[in-house]
Amino acid sequence: DAMVIQNPRYQVTQFGKPVTLSCSQTLNHNVMYWYQQKSSQAPKLLFHYYDKDFNNEADTPDNFQSRRPNTSFCFLDIRSPGLGDAAMYLCATSRDGQRNEKLFFGSGTQLSVL
Amino acid sequence: GDSVTQMEGPVTLSEEAFLTINCTYTATGYPSLFWYVQYPGEGLQLLLKATKADDKGSNKGFEATYRKETTSFHLEKGSVQVSDSAVYFCALSEPGGTSYGKLTFGQGTILTVHP
Repeated sequence: DAMVIQNPRYQVTQFGKPVTLSCSQTLNHNVMYWYQQKSSQAPKLLFHYYDKDFNNEADTPDNFQSRRPNTSFCFLDIRSPGLGDAAMYLCATSRDGQRNEKLFFGSGTQLSVL
Repeated sequence: GDSVTQMEGPVTLSEEAFLTINCTYTATGYPSLFWYVQYPGEGLQLLLKATKADDKGSNKGFEATYRKETTSFHLEKGSVQVSDSAVYFCALSEPGGTSYGKLTFGQGTILTVHP
């Protein structure tokens, strides 16, 4: 059974039209992460939540926002998508964020920007 | 900052061939090292890990040894199967208590195994 679920699997949006990607988890983990993966590149961390504490990576554009209304759900909001934001977006969780812990990933949402 | 470099792909092998995927890293201190695998249509999943120098991680016939002197964590398997076809990612987790398990990934290596 899927433990980290991302919806939708494919998302198409228009240039400049806000879009929200969703992630849910059944693991009751404290930490949730959002990664951006462009074609043939390494996944790049955008931000993470430890419980309700939001931690933004220094180079994450302001265009990207996130919300975590409860333990189970986390959303990625792209306020004004540009063509360069087309990518696979990966959600992941870990129990406590310790350095040796395994991350659990969803299957990703492939975002296209027209 | 920390970084991970993987060998360029794609890698194409015949079934039962020997596999090596090279991975080197740059980090301050002593990170934990991981290999994640992504099968078609699925999310990344942990394949193996090593948390200190000279540790060997192993799983499903795959092995990798944490080599501090060469800053490497090469993935090996003695005899690959068609079902091993996937994308393999090398990754590190920064040392220190405030890293929150954040991973820095390599760019991934596509492996295709033919019957």
